[in-house]
Parts: sequence; C-alpha cells; structure tokens
Amino acid sequence: SQKIEQNSEALNIQEGKTATLTCNYTNYSPAYLQWYRQDPGRGPVFLLLIRENEKEKRKERLKVTFDTTLKQSLFHITASQPADSATYLCALVPSGGYNKLIFGAGTRLAVHP
Amino acid sequence: EPEVTQTPSHQVTQMGQEVILRCVPISNHLYFYWYRQILGQKVEFLVSFYNNEISEKSEIFDDQFSVERPDGSNFTLKIRSTKLEDSAMYFCASSEELAGGQGGEETQYFGPGTRLLVL
Repeated sequence: SQKIEQNSEALNIQEGKTATLTCNYTNYSPAYLQWYRQDPGRGPVFLLLIRENEKEKRKERLKVTFDTTLKQSLFHITASQPADSATYLCALVPSGGYNKLIFGAGTRLAVHP
Repeated sequence: EPEVTQTPSHQVTQMGQEVILRCVPISNHLYFYWYRQILGQKVEFLVSFYNNEISEKSEIFDDQFSVERPDGSNFTLKIRSTKLEDSAMYFCASSEELAGGQGGEETQYFGPGTRLLVL
C-alpha cells in the first residue's frame, strides 16, 4: 500500500543545534515534495519545494534533500531557535496526480532555550 | 504579501444542517483546493477545482459535498447535511499552476482554516 511516514515522536533539541526531520514514502513516485510548517490551530505554511530531479534545496537556515532511491526526504533547520518549535509536515505530489498533496502526519519539533 | 483568507474561523452547527465555508484564494491563482484535518490526524485532500469544474476529488468528497466559485473571488465548500464525523478543520488552498510549472508556481498556499464542529 502507499504510505508517507514521518517520525511520529516529538523531536526535542537544544537551541542552536541542527534539527533533522525525516520523511519516508513507499509505493509513490513523487513529482515533487513540499515541506510545510503548522502551528496549533493554524493552516500549513509553505517552506520549501524540491523536485524529483533535485538533490538539495536551501533557503536561509532551511535545507531539504530528496533521495528517490532511498525514497526519503530530509529536512534540516540549522541554528535552531525556540520560534522554530512547530509541527513540520511533509507532502508529496504523485507523478500523474497533479492536483493533490498527500501529507504525512507531521513531526512535532520543540527547541529548548 | 497575498494570502488565502477563509470565513468563518469557527462554525458550530447541528447534525443534519447545511454549512457553507468560504474562501478567497490569492487573486492571480487559477487552481483551488479544499483539504480537511480531523483533530490529531493528517491533512487530507478533498477536492481540486479549475476552470469552474472539479479536477479531482477524494473518496471523502461524496454527494454531501459540493464546491462552487460563485464570483471572481470566492470559492465555497458546501456540506449539505452535516454529520458528527464532519467535525474538523477545513483548509482552502490555491496555486498558480499545477505540477510541472517552473519556479514553484505549483506551490499550494493554505488559508488559516475554518474549525467546524457538528453537534
């Protein structure tokens, strides 16, 4: 069956460290992956998009990698801050399924001062 | 910065009643979507809409649901006869392009959501 999985346990890290979040998928061939941030009771906020032919994308303190062989995307936040505390959602668009995002359950990140 | 807006932010209704959730997508966007998120669960796709018709819909989007773009700016989701299990956050999203566009125009931008509670 098709799955998109993110680490369901919360990730607790110290301020200033790098947070690494994982997104694994099975039985999909994504056209691209997107990462979103979601705060409690709010809508997802777009962070980064990476296409199937790209290995890495960066934006300020954020970096995302995409390995289609491992069927995995990693999302990194460097020099993390308490304000980065939120749930981070991975979402993919299947090849040929141009209209919809399929979301993972999200990983909650807590950055402690 | 342009953003998707949704009204109302909260809606409480009795089971069996009709509700209409409203969205104003980003003005130059052509593709519109509804998603929902039951408390503590994943965000789930409901429907996509382009050129005044549904492009794709999920199994959740049954005959009780309908979407409409009644004018040049609003995009609505109607639930004809609400059930308890329809209680969720409903998110509207819009994008400039579909997958395959250049420069990220296919990115879907989400509104803040409407929290629907069916009693």
